[in-house]
Amino acid sequence: EVQLVESGGGLVQPGRSLRLSCAASGFTFDDYAMHWVRQAPGKGLEWVAGISWNSGYTGYADSVKGRFTISRDTAKNSLYLQMNSLRAEDTALYYCAATSGTSFNWFDPWGQGTLVTVSS
Amino acid sequence: EIVMTQSPATLSVSPGERATLSCRASQSVTSNLAWYQQKPGQAPRLLIYGASNRATGIPARFSGSGSGTEFTLTINILQSEDFAFYYCQQYFNWPSITFGQGTRLEIK
Repeated sequence: EVQLVESGGGLVQPGRSLRLSCAASGFTFDDYAMHWVRQAPGKGLEWVAGISWNSGYTGYADSVKGRFTISRDTAKNSLYLQMNSLRAEDTALYYCAATSGTSFNWFDPWGQGTLVTVSS
Repeated sequence: EIVMTQSPATLSVSPGERATLSCRASQSVTSNLAWYQQKPGQAPRLLIYGASNRATGIPARFSGSGSGTEFTLTINILQSEDFAFYYCQQYFNWPSITFGQGTRLEIK
């Protein structure tokens, strides 16, 4: 069964850091680019960051560039998002998602998300 | 950044009827467009990629069309489980991937 399971979310104060993880199983992790997509409460979807299958390329939304870092560990079939200098507007459900092939395209599959709340 | 605009924001349709959802891009994305369905408390589910290709396991009543800047998601013979939020997404301008703001499909 294809599965993406996120973890690491929680309540954090503004300006602090948090690291999200996503464990992948049921598919060949190396064949996929991986991404983080977030959804603020009651709002739509926002792509946050992506990383190519071999970690050779990363991309970020302007809203997080310079504060967030995406990485992956092929040996552990895991994806990470290091989030620094967190702001209230980073509060959201963070989904891990995959895109196939060498480019960033459509997202499938998705995890169930981990909630990040930035508040004092 | 390519801005994706979905219309209407809310669409009210009766079960058994057809729903037509629209997505417009601020510049051409050729056929690099996907559609997702999201139900409350669930992750989005891929419906359509490449503007018109159904994802694995998606019923034939879902169809996508369009290219360039204008796209349509059509759902024929609406079932109760189809009432949800729908999002379009462009991946032409990667890594700057953008979503539309969503359309809520509700029961009339």
